[in-house]
Amino acid sequence: VTLLEQNPRWRLVPRGQAVNLRCILKNSQYPWMSWYQQDLQKQLQWLFTLRSPGDKEVKSLPGADYLATRVTDTELRLQVANMSQGRTLYCTCSAGTGVDSGNTLYFGEGSRLIVV
Amino acid sequence: GDSVTQTEGLVTLTEGLPVMLNCTYQTAYSTFLFWYVQHLNEAPKLLLKSSTDNKRTEHQGFHATLHKSSSSFHLQKSSAQLSDSALYYCALSEGSALGRLHFGAGTQLIVIP
Repeated sequence: VTLLEQNPRWRLVPRGQAVNLRCILKNSQYPWMSWYQQDLQKQLQWLFTLRSPGDKEVKSLPGADYLATRVTDTELRLQVANMSQGRTLYCTCSAGTGVDSGNTLYFGEGSRLIVV
Repeated sequence: GDSVTQTEGLVTLTEGLPVMLNCTYQTAYSTFLFWYVQHLNEAPKLLLKSSTDNKRTEHQGFHATLHKSSSSFHLQKSSAQLSDSALYYCALSEGSALGRLHFGAGTQLIVIP
């Protein structure tokens, strides 16, 4: 059963151009939605966790700037800007019923970004 | 701060031999450990998890035991299969931060005939 739907699945991004990613939650029992990046060395790194509609956060990491928005209870967005190296962005969800089992992450299929 | 160490970046094994992938961690908070597996061109998927000291956890032929005394959560399997070839991540739940796991660098397992 698919818990998350991410789009686009991949995108060629001209250097200097921003790209917008979208993630839709299919099961409301896992409302804690997060973004993770996987770099070209395959390192997985947490970016954001946004629980409530209207929540917004920004972050700058080596190689990209990020703006995340929880749009609704079921939609999470991520804007990626100033990207200098390709990466894959994963949307995740978790139950959040506790820091133990409730923190189990379920991953979307990912959005692979390639800089051109 | 919290950290997860996977000492092997690459493990190459012949089919049928036992698998052991190492994971140690450092944390100041309650301890919940995970193993995720990522096959080529797929997303990471949960393999197994544990927070109970000295209790063996099993799933899909793999097993791991959390040892708090040595801060370890090594992944094992008695006999490797070709389909086990994948990237394996050990991860630690970061204190009270819901949705946030700290991942190790990953171990690429290659199983050859």
